[in-house]
Amino acid sequence: EVQLVESGGGLVQPGGSLRLSCAASGFTFSTYNMNWVRQAPGKGLEWVSFISSVISTVYYADSVKGRFTISRDNAKNSLYLQMNNLRDEDTAVYYCAREDNVWLDPWGQGTLVTVSS
Amino acid sequence: QSALTQPASVSGSPGQSITISCTGTSTDVGSHNLVSWYQQYPGKAPKLMIYEVSKRPSGVSDRFSGSKSGNTASLTISGLQAEDEADYYCCSYARSNTLYVFGTGTKVTVL
Repeated sequence: EVQLVESGGGLVQPGGSLRLSCAASGFTFSTYNMNWVRQAPGKGLEWVSFISSVISTVYYADSVKGRFTISRDNAKNSLYLQMNNLRDEDTAVYYCAREDNVWLDPWGQGTLVTVSS
Repeated sequence: QSALTQPASVSGSPGQSITISCTGTSTDVGSHNLVSWYQQYPGKAPKLMIYEVSKRPSGVSDRFSGSKSGNTASLTISGLQAEDEADYYCCSYARSNTLYVFGTGTKVTVL
């Protein structure tokens, strides 16, 4: 069974940092591009970041560029999102999602990040 | 890259058909067939329902269908059932630094 499990969320003060992880299983992780998508409370989905399967080409939404860093460890079947200089507006559930051609499937269950003093 | 425009809510009675629109621009929805749709129940992760405008993944009911005309994509749910009550999001591959643009989301209510 293909599965993605996020972890690392929590409460952090504005200006703080947090590192999210996404553990993949049930498929050959190293052959798939991966993405992070977030959803603020009561709001819609917002794409955050992309990383390619092998050569690690990365892209970021303008809202997080310069503050967030996406990375992966294919040996550990894991995806990461390092989030620095967090702002109130970064409060959201963060999902990792496998990219299948140009659609996202499946998604993890999400991990909640709350930025508040 | 602005979010794609969806109606905030759509409702229908059991057995009826409803259609959710998703309006973008000539640089996203209108420029290719890389539109997907996701279903999301409260507190749950989104689930892929339609990809490449009109293709259904294995396991998705054939009551769900997709189409596109110009800059507007549509998701139709036929034979509406109580279990279809959820939020639905369209998504377009953007071929820019913003790789994916999501719609504003539509809450489907089964009356």
